[in-house]
Amino acid sequence: AQSVTQPDIHITVSEGASLELRCNYSYGATPYLFWYVQSPGQGLQLLLKYFSGDTLVQGIKGFEAEFKRSQSSFNLRKPSVHWSDAAEYFCAVGVGNMLTFGGGTRLMVKP
Amino acid sequence: SQTIHQWPATLVQPVGSPLSLECTVEGTSNPNLYWYRQAAGRGLQLLFYSVGIGQISSEVPQNLSASRPQDRQFILSSKKLLLSDSGFYLCAWKGLVVTGELFFGEGSRLTVL
Repeated sequence: AQSVTQPDIHITVSEGASLELRCNYSYGATPYLFWYVQSPGQGLQLLLKYFSGDTLVQGIKGFEAEFKRSQSSFNLRKPSVHWSDAAEYFCAVGVGNMLTFGGGTRLMVKP
Repeated sequence: SQTIHQWPATLVQPVGSPLSLECTVEGTSNPNLYWYRQAAGRGLQLLFYSVGIGQISSEVPQNLSASRPQDRQFILSSKKLLLSDSGFYLCAWKGLVVTGELFFGEGSRLTVL
C-alpha cells in the first residue's frame, strides 16, 4: 500500500524568505502526486499536481514542486513567502480512485 | 463549473445523539465521492468512498455510516455519537479521470460534548 510522509510537522519562516516543504512517498510505481493547502477552518485547495513529464511542476500562488524518483520525494517550494501563505500543507499520493495524504506541515510566517 | 457544498458548517451535539452531515455536488455526473475526517492536530483519515449510487466502501470500521441516495448526494450518519467522533469532516469529489485530483467542500466542524 502507498504511504506519504511529511517529516516536518511545523515550520516557521520569515516573510520574504524561501520555503521548502518536504514530502516522501512509498509506492511501487510512479504515483500521481499532489500538494494541497488548507487555511484554518476551511477545506483543502489544490496547489499543484504531477502525473508525468517534466519533473518540475508549477502551481498556483507562486508554488512549485519537484518530483525526484530516485529520492521518492515531491518537495514543495516557494522563493519568497508571503504572510498569507501561513496555513497547513498536505502532500498526497494518488493510486486509482484513492488519495493517501501525509500528516501535514503547518507553516507559520514571521513578519 | 462544478461546486461542492457541505452542511451544516458547525454542529455541537451531545454524546449518544444522532448525526447527519450532507454533501452535494453540482455541475458533474457520476462523481466519486469521499468522506474524510480530520481530528485535532492530525492528518486526513479516509472514512468512506462511493463510486456510484448505493455503493459505499468503508475504510475504517467505526461508529459512522455513509449513504449515497442520489448521484450527487453523499450523507454521513451516526445513530449514537461518541466523544471520539469530534472533528472536522470533509467531503470531496473526483471525476472519472484516473489521474484526477479531489475537490473538497468547506468542511463541517462537529463537536461532541
